[in-house]
Amino acid sequence: EVQLVESGGGLVQPGGSLRLSCAASGFTFSDHYMDWVRQAPGKGLEWVGRHRNRAKSYTTEYAASVKGRFSISRDESNNLLYLQMNSLKSDDTAVYYCTRSSDTRDFDTWGQGTLVTVSS
Amino acid sequence: DIQLTQFPSFLSASVGDRVTITCRASQDISSYLAWYQQKPGRAPKLLIYAASTLQSGVPSRFSGSRSGTEFTLTISSLQPEDFATYYCQQLFNFPVTFGQGTKVEIK
Repeated sequence: EVQLVESGGGLVQPGGSLRLSCAASGFTFSDHYMDWVRQAPGKGLEWVGRHRNRAKSYTTEYAASVKGRFSISRDESNNLLYLQMNSLKSDDTAVYYCTRSSDTRDFDTWGQGTLVTVSS
Repeated sequence: DIQLTQFPSFLSASVGDRVTITCRASQDISSYLAWYQQKPGRAPKLLIYAASTLQSGVPSRFSGSRSGTEFTLTISSLQPEDFATYYCQQLFNFPVTFGQGTKVEIK
């Protein structure tokens, strides 16, 4: 079964840092682009960023709202995707979802999400 | 950035109704559009990709279509389990963007 499981969410103060993890299983992790999407409480979906695969030199893309503060990486030996979040603001409070990008570009698999709360 | 205007924002319907949700892109995105369903407290679920292709395992009452930069998600006969929020998404270029969502509630 294809599965994504996020972890690492929690309460952090403004200006702080947090690293989210996403454990992938049931598919060849190294073949896929992976994305993070977030959803603020009661709001819609917002794309955060993409991490491409080895074939595309692990290049990344980010939303303007997080560029320079967030970074995405992966550990292929352990099938893990990471989202490093620095200089966190209250606007970053959201459920963060790890997603798999399919060959047709859509996000065909989603994790259950992990809640990040930025508050003093 | 490509803007997706999704409407209506809210829809009240009865079981058995035919429901249509529209998503209009601010520029040509070819057929790089997907539709997702999200239920409260759950992750989104892919329904339709490439504008009109049904994801495996999704009931055939869901369908998608494209006319230029206007995309439509249709539920031919609304079922109790279909009450949820629906989002469109463009994957033509970065940043990936989503529509504002359409909440489908029971009439």
